[in-house]
Amino acid sequence: QVQLVESGGGVVQPGRSLRLSCATSGFTFNTHGMHWVRQAPGKGLDWVALIWYDGSIKYYADSVKGRFTISRDNSKNTLSLQMNSLTADDTAVYYCATEYTGTPGVWGQGTLVTVSS
Amino acid sequence: QSALTQPASVSGSPGQSITISCTGSSSDVGIYNLVSWYQQHPGKAPKLMIYEATRRPSGVSQRFSGSKSGNTASLTISGLQAEDEADYYCCSYAGSDAPGYVFGTGTKVTVV
Repeated sequence: QVQLVESGGGVVQPGRSLRLSCATSGFTFNTHGMHWVRQAPGKGLDWVALIWYDGSIKYYADSVKGRFTISRDNSKNTLSLQMNSLTADDTAVYYCATEYTGTPGVWGQGTLVTVSS
Repeated sequence: QSALTQPASVSGSPGQSITISCTGSSSDVGIYNLVSWYQQHPGKAPKLMIYEATRRPSGVSQRFSGSKSGNTASLTISGLQAEDEADYYCCSYAGSDAPGYVFGTGTKVTVV
């Protein structure tokens, strides 16, 4: 079955960088777009970014544009999110999810990013 | 892009039907059929329940149904069960000029 496992979360100081990864299995990775979605503690869901199946097109939420970069390695079935210039507002659980007919489909269990001095 | 508007909470008794609304605008819900609904239990990842406004993924109970009219989408849960108690979020594609997706504010469903 489809499995998505996020990693790379942790505590980071404001202004610093962090790179998240999402290891995937159980489906043909190189034929699916992929999303990142986040959820601040006790808050709702917040869409972050989308990358097409071949990496040719990338979309970002305005709140992360210019600071975050979504990428993928189809040879390793892995999705990444490079996060720079982090602020307290970026504190959240970050989920990767498959693209499913125009919406996030299957989700991983998430990785917590805490931005704090 | 503003979040879609959902009621903060909805409650019902076992066996009853409840409906959760999701109000957007002519830039998202009103113009695209790409509206989806997610169920999230505490401490768990969201689960896709409805996509393309009315379609159910394989494995999702027929008790869950979706609809859309104008700028408002709705999720109906029929035959409410204790396991349906969770948070529910709608989501809509927001278009290429404002690329991406917008989620709803979330609704806590309580089975009383």
